[in-house]
Amino acid sequence: DAGITQSPRHKVTETGTPVTLRCHQTENHRYMYWYRQDPGHGLRLIHYSYGVKDTDKGEVSDGYSVSRSKTEDFLLTLESATSSQTSVYFCAISESSGLGEKLFFGSGTQLSVL
Amino acid sequence: DQQVKQNSPSLSVQEGRISILNCDYTNSMFDYFLWYKKYPAEGPTFLISISSIKDKNEDGRFTVFLNKSAKHLSLHIVPSQPGDSAVYFCAASFKTGGQNFVFGPGTRLSVLP
Repeated sequence: DAGITQSPRHKVTETGTPVTLRCHQTENHRYMYWYRQDPGHGLRLIHYSYGVKDTDKGEVSDGYSVSRSKTEDFLLTLESATSSQTSVYFCAISESSGLGEKLFFGSGTQLSVL
Repeated sequence: DQQVKQNSPSLSVQEGRISILNCDYTNSMFDYFLWYKKYPAEGPTFLISISSIKDKNEDGRFTVFLNKSAKHLSLHIVPSQPGDSAVYFCAASFKTGGQNFVFGPGTRLSVLP
């Protein structure tokens, strides 16, 4: 357990509505990530953050924005949700070891856009 | 085009036997590889990793083999247990930084009692 909490765990929303997912970590990690998991695609990076107010895009960033105003919180916002954004969303932090980085994931948010 | 491929979407193995999960990659610059395990309704958890300077890494019942010339790695689980039933993701990276990980689509392993 890397001290990562995601909320909500489940969310059902309608097309066109804004949605914000929250990731909270308790261990002062500098790097935080948002991934989505879809069948046949594995885990794909949406956005990541390397510090307060420092963020960058990942592979599938279109339609998503992020914010990090405090070290412990990383928010993912869907400004206007679409059905293609129905997915499971995972927040992660990274830690370095002798061999390389490791990602540690939260429990996920199941988002359904109807 | 997927840079990391797991061509078997699913695999069934009898309890006590060996499970072999395969992963192929296309980018020869990848130099660090990891396996993650994921249970339903949980996040992926780190299982084992290997650097490109090695061809084998072992941790208990789990061994990862790397064949750089074939751009292929495999995860062996011996002996397989019902609790090993999960989705396994292969991941690769060629730079430091978690943002550089590339994940495969996953293989669902079912270990039958």
